[in-house]
Amino acid sequence: SQQGEEDPQALSIQEGENATMNCSYKTSINNLQWYRQNSGRGLVHLILIRSNEREKHSGRLRVTLDTSKKSSSLLITASRAADTASYFCATVTGNQFYFGTGTSLTVIP
Amino acid sequence: SAVISQKPSRDICQRGTSLTIQCQVDSQVTMMFWYRQQPGQSLTLIATANQGSEATYESGFVIDKFPISRPNLTFSTLTVSNMSPEDSSIYLCSVNREYTEAFFGQGTRLTVV
Repeated sequence: SQQGEEDPQALSIQEGENATMNCSYKTSINNLQWYRQNSGRGLVHLILIRSNEREKHSGRLRVTLDTSKKSSSLLITASRAADTASYFCATVTGNQFYFGTGTSLTVIP
Repeated sequence: SAVISQKPSRDICQRGTSLTIQCQVDSQVTMMFWYRQQPGQSLTLIATANQGSEATYESGFVIDKFPISRPNLTFSTLTVSNMSPEDSSIYLCSVNREYTEAFFGQGTRLTVV
């Protein structure tokens, strides 16, 4: 399977703390993306990092990519209760999206 | 961006019956994708729907169980046929822009009793 694996599966933190989740994948990729899903609804795109990039920022989000280790991390800084959701990485190879196993984040007010 | 309207948002169905899920996109797209997300799991691609041709199904999914229509470039339906409790999942339709970003419908939460 080309599905990525994420860890941790679940993460619980206090509001204001940083949250880090990791994604590992198996094949070469065109780009890697992170998505957020609230309560089993549709996924919402957060950020994309291309295979020739190593780090990218968007607001409170920071994504890193290490293609030699086939891994990526998503850092959410200064977390808020509204960040509570499931987060998925997705690798894009050719014309296919492969979604990771997801990390369930709970931010406690 | 693309806005996808998916319906129904949820349904409770009797085993043995069928449910058709509809997705309407606000712009023309070549490919539409249908995913299943079982409780607490990631997304699994069911099939890719191209306008004017039969859908391409992933391993483990067959047309008789999940027939798909794609009558034009903005609309698609997925039918879950002869349902059993194992079909209880969230079903999602999706499109993407040159593989740089995927857009999703709101999801259909299906419970089969």
